[in-house]
Amino acid sequence: QLQLQESGPGLVKPSETLSLTCTVSGGSISSSSYYWGWIRQPPGKGLEWIGSIYYSGSTYYNPSLKSRVTISVDTSKNQFSLKLSSVTAADTAVYYCASLSITIFGRWGQGTLVTVSS
Amino acid sequence: AIQLTQSPSSLSASVGDRVTITCRASQGISSALAWYQQKPGKAPKLLIYDASSLESGVPSRFSGSGSGTDFTLTISSLQPEDFATYYCQQFNSYPQKAITFGQGTRLEIK
Repeated sequence: QLQLQESGPGLVKPSETLSLTCTVSGGSISSSSYYWGWIRQPPGKGLEWIGSIYYSGSTYYNPSLKSRVTISVDTSKNQFSLKLSSVTAADTAVYYCASLSITIFGRWGQGTLVTVSS
Repeated sequence: AIQLTQSPSSLSASVGDRVTITCRASQGISSALAWYQQKPGKAPKLLIYDASSLESGVPSRFSGSGSGTDFTLTISSLQPEDFATYYCQQFNSYPQKAITFGQGTRLEIK
């Protein structure tokens, strides 16, 4: 059964780059069945899709975040990663990684809280 | 970008009630709509995909319907474990691939 786990710093300073990794187990990140995605949720607020990637490296991003986001994949480690640059307090959120079966997020990681603060 | 608007934003109901949540898209999205349930401190859980298909393991009291711009999630008889926040989500591929979520509907115990 597919499982996902986020990892990375829980505290990032303003103007710096947020970096998170999602490790996939119970299946191959190179499966043709899935894209892989990042979603975030500010405290007490709703869900916001950040972007998605295919194992080949093909990506698509939320237009509102596109200028600051890079998502990459490492098939040798069965991982994909998120980088969000020039962060502000507004980027404080729980960040989730998830498997994306064409149009739906089927499996989610447990989420990791990232706080932007000096 | 396609916007999804859920109504109501919050809802109070009792165990055994029938509840309906609506999700309206700003333009037609065929049937590419999913519903998720989220409980506090937990990741969202997929309930319904392709507007009306029940995810494996999800109780049959959950159902979805709709196409085009108007969609509904119905819980036929509320159980104590159903009190949570519900989100709709769409995927569109034109003019570019994008995913959006509705703002959420919080379902509370009356």
